Amino acid sequence: GAGVSQSPRYKVAKRGQDVALRCDPISGHVSLFWYQQALGQGPEFLTYFQNEAQLDKSGLPSDRFFAERPEGSVSTLKIQRTQQEDSAVYLCASSFGGMSYEQYFGPGTRLTVT
Amino acid sequence: QQQVKQSPQSLIVQKGGIPIINCAYENTAFDYFPWYQQFPGKGPALLIAIRPDVSEKKEGRFTISFNKSAKQFSLHIMDSQPGDSATYFCAAIRDTPLVFGKGTRLSVIA
Repeated sequence: GAGVSQSPRYKVAKRGQDVALRCDPISGHVSLFWYQQALGQGPEFLTYFQNEAQLDKSGLPSDRFFAERPEGSVSTLKIQRTQQEDSAVYLCASSFGGMSYEQYFGPGTRLTVT
Repeated sequence: QQQVKQSPQSLIVQKGGIPIINCAYENTAFDYFPWYQQFPGKGPALLIAIRPDVSEKKEGRFTISFNKSAKQFSLHIMDSQPGDSATYFCAAIRDTPLVFGKGTRLSVIA
């Protein structure tokens, strides 16, 4: 059916505010990934879930970033006390198996911190 | 450190031309090298991928050439069309998260 969806598509936050970004992966996909894409750059890995287990969070830039996938489907990326350097597009991807090269990306959430 | 280096940063070709995008990698443990295509406002989409034991792979107008000894691989787009105008990312993976290059913005002009 539908591809990966993300909401909101655009988010403007004032510095210091908390934000929550949502990802709905493709139904049945076991793995879910979050990436950060700065303007004019390639996506950079943030964190990886296999079902509800967060197997890798090595890319999270600080303890202000937190991700969860409590029921193994929808995931939320939360950023606390946003800073200007957090401004970027946050991409979510899912894959059928584990750590696969074949990932399906959502359209992203563009976060602007003012 | 940047594990996958991509060049050029941008490329302009005429319709029908053959743009070539190059990537070099450091980690010889990588076992898949995909290329992703991204249009403005969209997420990247998988285009084609190759394993390091294969020297060339073609899918439609897209071809990957792979040089294992040089740790380099490239994407060729045959008979390029204005609709191919997008940003292209090479990437690499092995039991690790995808590592992306910085991207090449391709413009195909009619």
